[in-house]
Amino acid sequence: SQQGEEDPQALSIQEGENATMNCSYKTSINNLQWYRQNSGRGLVHLILIRSNEREKHSGRLRVTLDTSKKSSSLLITASRAADTASYFCATDAGNTPLVFGKGTRLSVIA
Amino acid sequence: NAGVTQTPKFQVLKTGQSMTLQCAQDMNHNSMYWYRQDPGMGLRLIYYSASEGTTDKGEVPNGYNVSRLNKREFSLRLESAAPSQTSVYFCASRLNTEAFFGQGTRLTVV
Repeated sequence: SQQGEEDPQALSIQEGENATMNCSYKTSINNLQWYRQNSGRGLVHLILIRSNEREKHSGRLRVTLDTSKKSSSLLITASRAADTASYFCATDAGNTPLVFGKGTRLSVIA
Repeated sequence: NAGVTQTPKFQVLKTGQSMTLQCAQDMNHNSMYWYRQDPGMGLRLIYYSASEGTTDKGEVPNGYNVSRLNKREFSLRLESAAPSQTSVYFCASRLNTEAFFGQGTRLTVV
């Protein structure tokens, strides 16, 4: 069964607004990553946060991790139409395969 | 760098036909993976290879076989295709944390 569950399943916002997506997982992890998928394309890595980290930033992305709640959030600030895509969280427990959630579909309306 | 290359990009099979999906990476990664993506299901792991010469089942291995031909190549074979195997298939490779994905193979079984 899949490890991660993203919430919401779909999100529609106006350009310039912030977008927040959440991910919950079931078992202990070493790392949690976020990936982006444009329609019909392969996934692209966005950011990784380790289990001993609580927050990480990369450009307009901010990721938080709460291991006590087994949850993570991805915040995209000042969204653009080009941010329209599906976003997936993925977890691993060391040398194990990445396990993906079902994704959040983000639509940014210009 | 080409990264991860999958062939073919599109394929239509009749029920009962066989085919092999090819994947090659040029990043000298040890681990390679095959995922399938279905609407609303996210990515599910079919098989993976942690290193050359080893393969292991993932979440949904039934109906598939794999071969890790060498460090670069990891193929996925459908021996007798079924309509339930209609999906988009992604190959990925990984060294330690971040995974790199191919562009996918869209397979339809009629």
